[in-house]
Amino acid sequence: RKEVEQDPGPFNVPEGATVAFNCTYSNSASQSFFWYRQDCRKEPKLLMSVYSSGNEDGRFTAQLNRASQYISLLIRDSKLSDSATYLCVVRGSTGANNLFFGTGTRLTVIP
Amino acid sequence: DTGVSQDPRHKITKRGQNVTFRCDPISEHNRLYWYRQTLGQGPEFLTYFQNEAQLEKSRLLSDRFSAERPKGSFSTLEIQRTEQGDSAMYLCASSHPRAGGGSYNEQFFGPGTRLTVL
Repeated sequence: RKEVEQDPGPFNVPEGATVAFNCTYSNSASQSFFWYRQDCRKEPKLLMSVYSSGNEDGRFTAQLNRASQYISLLIRDSKLSDSATYLCVVRGSTGANNLFFGTGTRLTVIP
Repeated sequence: DTGVSQDPRHKITKRGQNVTFRCDPISEHNRLYWYRQTLGQGPEFLTYFQNEAQLEKSRLLSDRFSAERPKGSFSTLEIQRTEQGDSAMYLCASSHPRAGGGSYNEQFFGPGTRLTVL
């Protein structure tokens, strides 16, 4: 079983729409959770960390459910510039340094 | 630009040849990581250095792969006797422990080296 499972999409949504991405992780001892954004042929960049209490950054809201080992990202009022691949990322148990990436979910925002 | 840099950006080689990639991390970042990414997949961890010490290696890192960070600054990743299955984007990332401790330090990725093995 993969460490992180994500629906690869693609998600094609109109401008202004709200879209949600989900992923699950297999290691219950995982300590840190993130969403990275990757534009076509570019490197991944940290979008936001995900905290147990849930956190929001502008139009982006991330949530974590440790009991279900489930992570979500909600994007409100989608912009054309949000078109990218969104990678769900998990860091392993305490002391681990490497990150486990999902396959990514491709989002295209349509005018 | 003070971000992570990688060289070359693209490499085309014939099967069986050796290739070497270089990564220059962000200055003062003591942690350096190598990942591999194939089309339609997320990056997969290969190896990790803290300063000059290679502390973790993935089982993906076969005997044909070797990485070094001799002075704790730049790193090289060498692939010997390349195979077509080695074709991928090789990403380098660096990080620095968060001031005051803490369990996570953001990894900043370089632009990658795209390897094509013919």
